[in-house]
Amino acid sequence: ETGVTQTPRHLVMGMTNKKSLKCEQHLGHNAMYWYKQSAKKPLELMFVYNFKEQTENNSVPSRFSPECPNSSHLFLHLHTLQPEDSALYLCASSLRDTANTGELFFGEGSRLTVL
Amino acid sequence: GEDVEQSLFLSVREGDSSVINCTYTDSSSTYLYWYKQEPGAGLQLLTYIFSNMDMKQDQRLTVLLNKKDKHLSLRIADTQTGDSAIYFCAESYNAGNNRKLIWGLGTSLAVNP
Repeated sequence: ETGVTQTPRHLVMGMTNKKSLKCEQHLGHNAMYWYKQSAKKPLELMFVYNFKEQTENNSVPSRFSPECPNSSHLFLHLHTLQPEDSALYLCASSLRDTANTGELFFGEGSRLTVL
Repeated sequence: GEDVEQSLFLSVREGDSSVINCTYTDSSSTYLYWYKQEPGAGLQLLTYIFSNMDMKQDQRLTVLLNKKDKHLSLRIADTQTGDSAIYFCAESYNAGNNRKLIWGLGTSLAVNP
């Protein structure tokens, strides 16, 4: 198994749909992250979980709902999204959430298109 | 606020050296990073440098840090077509009790045969 796996790789959804993105890491890390990558914008940190507890929510709209059932799995539940939410959503993990070394391991991302 | 800036594009010929530059604003940075993103993939940590270092070399990669000018560069020697990717500079800085990462927009490196 590769380090950080994201599914689905591509997702197209209407504004009234409900869908979820899944992330799984096999690295034994304790911190997991959701990032949003949009064209011409810096990488945006959305949520951080450390030992399954949410430690950061960067003013993300409530139509994005994260879930971290254990240190290896992270979900991003999506509902009533807007077209401007179309982006690449990247999951990452690290040994722990201190960013002392900033060594993050990223998945390949889920490309989301909202129609 | 904290900011990291990079030029958006760089084009080099195969076999030449590439130099990707980055400037940052936060003087409390402790680590600075270079990540690489190949098409259709996530980001991969290439290398990082601690702020008390001036230079770090790792095979074809050389990182130079000028802390006075808050300037970071990544030199790729003997650039290959497989080096074509987007390169992100990031700094780690103090934000209250936590450390945070600030990312640049990325430099798209095109390597021409």
